[in-house]
Amino acid sequence: DTGVSQDPRHKITKRGQNVTFRCDPISEHNRLYWYRQTLGQGPEFLTYFQNEAQLEKSRLLSDRFSAERPKGSFSTLEIQRTEQGDSAMYLCAAGDLLNTGELFFGEGSRLTVL
Amino acid sequence: AQSVTQPDIHITVSEGASLELRCNYSYGATPYLFWYVQSPGQGLQLLLKYFSGDTLVQGIKGFEAEFKRSQSSFNLRKPSVHWSDAAEYFCAVGFSGGYNKLIFGAGTRLAVHP
Repeated sequence: DTGVSQDPRHKITKRGQNVTFRCDPISEHNRLYWYRQTLGQGPEFLTYFQNEAQLEKSRLLSDRFSAERPKGSFSTLEIQRTEQGDSAMYLCAAGDLLNTGELFFGEGSRLTVL
Repeated sequence: AQSVTQPDIHITVSEGASLELRCNYSYGATPYLFWYVQSPGQGLQLLLKYFSGDTLVQGIKGFEAEFKRSQSSFNLRKPSVHWSDAAEYFCAVGFSGGYNKLIFGAGTRLAVHP
């Protein structure tokens, strides 16, 4: 148990629909990250929060993607008007890279866009 | 731009044989280096990390890795592989200028023959 929970574990949706993923890290992790992983690739950085502030966004994060961490605890990643190219595993991670050098990853939310 | 290369997509070894997984990075200064393992249906787990100091680092599950600045490499090794080591292995790099996220390689899938 890494202390990072993600929900849902798997989402199947039709193209054009909106989807939302949730990440719940244990409370002492003030930094939270979203990554995307496609088949045969390593995780790609999407965005990162320190507490409730979104400090960095990748160019991979188009206008259809929005992430929030309203109270500095859980986070949501919403994809609007999904496209087939959005099909991937969305990974949430939490930790303190600067001090402990470790990120704790959740098991991911797999998105399939039909 | 910073990058991480794992030259081997798939590696197959016999149980009990030694293992070396390669990782090279591109960056002008010394990065922070990590190896993660991902088993099917599970989240990424940190095996070991290098920040500074001794260039040979020990990790969990009997793994070790050696940082070689002259070769820009951080190869992962294990003297005797167990069937349970079959998984996907990712090298990751954090860069001092933007040390608030990790950049991952594409991964190496390890298969272990009995």
